[in-house]
Amino acid sequence: DTGVSQNPRHKITKRGQNVTFRCDPISEHNRLYWYRQTLGQGPEFLTYFQNEAQLEKSRLLSDRFSAERPKGSFSTLEIQRTEQGDSAMYLCASSSLRDNEQFFGPGTRLTVL
Amino acid sequence: AQSVAQPEDQVNVAEGNPLTVKCTYSVSGNPYLFWYVQYPNRGLQFLLKYITGDNLVKGSYGFEAEFNKSQTSFHLKKPSALVSDSALYFCAVRPLITRNYQLIWGAGTKLIIKP
Repeated sequence: DTGVSQNPRHKITKRGQNVTFRCDPISEHNRLYWYRQTLGQGPEFLTYFQNEAQLEKSRLLSDRFSAERPKGSFSTLEIQRTEQGDSAMYLCASSSLRDNEQFFGPGTRLTVL
Repeated sequence: AQSVAQPEDQVNVAEGNPLTVKCTYSVSGNPYLFWYVQYPNRGLQFLLKYITGDNLVKGSYGFEAEFNKSQTSFHLKKPSALVSDSALYFCAVRPLITRNYQLIWGAGTKLIIKP
């Protein structure tokens, strides 16, 4: 399967713990995006990479959130000191420099107890 | 503020009838417009996009969408609905005035096709 993959698919953690999610984009895609989606809502943009450079961060991305894409391939999203309000589906997408549509992974569902 | 509106939380259509899922937007300039579909426990799937040119664009699974610049709308349509079309549909917009490529999303419309 050459689509976008995300791991883990589900994560349950206790409040205050740190979690890290991984996204592997489509191999030839230079652009990578992270979104957060809560029930009944559309995705909310979190951050965007072009190759290894993080070019945009949403105000939603508090200082507890950090994302990296060190070699311009896979990306990680870390949430430190998780809070119950962080419970959501975290979506990763990628796109090429030529095309405008973004291709999404299946998401990582985070539950903070 | 830039926004995308999907005025209907849910649309119910009988199988075989035409369907329309509405989307309007408020962004600066001439944006790129997209429709995505989300099935339960699955990721978002790209359906179609409008960049420029013909106002009627065709996409996957027999869907099409009509861009109306004066009404700032991009409604999703299908001539004959299938039960398997039942899913959550999202309209998204990429404003070209910004240098980044983030999408602004509507809240989604649940489409229910009844046999």
